[in-house]
Amino acid sequence: DAGVIQSPRHEVTEMGQEVTLRCKPISGHNSLFWYRQTMMRGLELLIYFNNNVPIDDSGMPEDRFSAKMPNASFSTLKIQPSEPRDSAVYFCASSLMATYEQYFGPGTRLTVT
Amino acid sequence: AQKVTQAQTEISVVEKEDVTLDCVYETRDTTYYLFWYKQPPSGELVFLIRRNSFDEQNEISGRYSWNFQKSTSSFNFTITASQVVDSAVYFCALSAANTGNQFYFGTGTSLTVIP
Repeated sequence: DAGVIQSPRHEVTEMGQEVTLRCKPISGHNSLFWYRQTMMRGLELLIYFNNNVPIDDSGMPEDRFSAKMPNASFSTLKIQPSEPRDSAVYFCASSLMATYEQYFGPGTRLTVT
Repeated sequence: AQKVTQAQTEISVVEKEDVTLDCVYETRDTTYYLFWYKQPPSGELVFLIRRNSFDEQNEISGRYSWNFQKSTSSFNFTITASQVVDSAVYFCALSAANTGNQFYFGTGTSLTVIP
């Protein structure tokens, strides 16, 4: 079975532009997580979904960030407008259930100039 | 509150040495889960092990072993006869049923195995 798929793998954009990151979880997994990783802050949970429903978005840094999960096989994380401090690696992960191990995608390296 | 502490920021060992990575956790929940992940230089996060709070049995998988001790709230990870391919950042994580099951990651331990 394919693992978690993320696109794009790399994104370079200018400050103020809209950025959309995409994730396809492992088929059959009911929980999906978005993380951000930086050297300064480590691995941060941004939001997670159970059965396509957002459960906890307290980690979303501000209103510029939004996430959706329209169906069980697709999720997006959108940043609008983007800022240089949003530069990070964004990971998507999925798990069979929330208490089970999470499987991570390869990440999207975002650079905002 | 849930918290995971990995006090060792960086460790260097010579190949074939054994190395133990420490993980101390805090939770008030009686039902919780502990995990270890590996992040090699390529950047992906690889799941290594999951352990629930009711199972204190230690586990061995090849050169890897894990020591779970509830009395000291620790879940330590030992690599025996380390190899260069073990060089990575290792993360310990905690998930508790009463806090929505989200993961709480430690800050990671960067392991360098010198040939």
